Amino acid sequence: QKEVEQDPGPLSVPEGAIVSLNCTYSNSAFQYFMWYRQYSRKGPELLMYTYSSGNKEDGRFTAQVDKSSKYISLFIRDSQPSDSATYLCAMTNSGNTPLVFGKGTRLSVIA
Amino acid sequence: DTEVTQTPKHLVMGMTNKKSLKCEQHMGHRAMYWYKQKAKKPPELMFVYSYEKLSINESVPSRFSPECPNSSLLNLHLHALQPEDSALYLCASSQDSEVPQPQHFGDGTRLSIL
Repeated sequence: QKEVEQDPGPLSVPEGAIVSLNCTYSNSAFQYFMWYRQYSRKGPELLMYTYSSGNKEDGRFTAQVDKSSKYISLFIRDSQPSDSATYLCAMTNSGNTPLVFGKGTRLSVIA
Repeated sequence: DTEVTQTPKHLVMGMTNKKSLKCEQHMGHRAMYWYKQKAKKPPELMFVYSYEKLSINESVPSRFSPECPNSSLLNLHLHALQPEDSALYLCASSQDSEVPQPQHFGDGTRLSIL
């Protein structure tokens, strides 16, 4: 079992839809969770950074962490064609431990 | 535009060439990273520098040689690479602390080995 599982998609949705992206993980020591967005031919861009369980909202983006289920989610409201990208989850348990990335989910938002 | 700047953006080299990739950040971060990313795959960690000292080397072949001349600069020296080394090479930086801080990535150098 991989440490972090993420459905690679592709996921295709109509403009304006609510998008749900998810990762599951096996290491219960993970406490710090990140979501990155990567456009084609660009580097990953940090979207959300959360610690432990709970929700965090930033504009159209909401990150959720459920440590009891070892499950994290990123919701995108009112999705736009400009949201079309690959979304990577990443997590770690301490500052001295490398990030563990999911495989990334390719999202297409169709106008 | 990202706050981590990588040059060159593209590089084509032969297997016998020597070249260097450069990375610069001015965010005051003291941890810097090199990653390798193949198409449709997540980034794979290669090296970590903490306060200009190499702290993690993920069993990377010696044909890749990192260097951190100062707290703002990170280089990756390349020599005798193989075609399978063709990839996007990403640099990242973060605050260095026991509490993990988000890593900020550059846009990478797309490397092609002939």
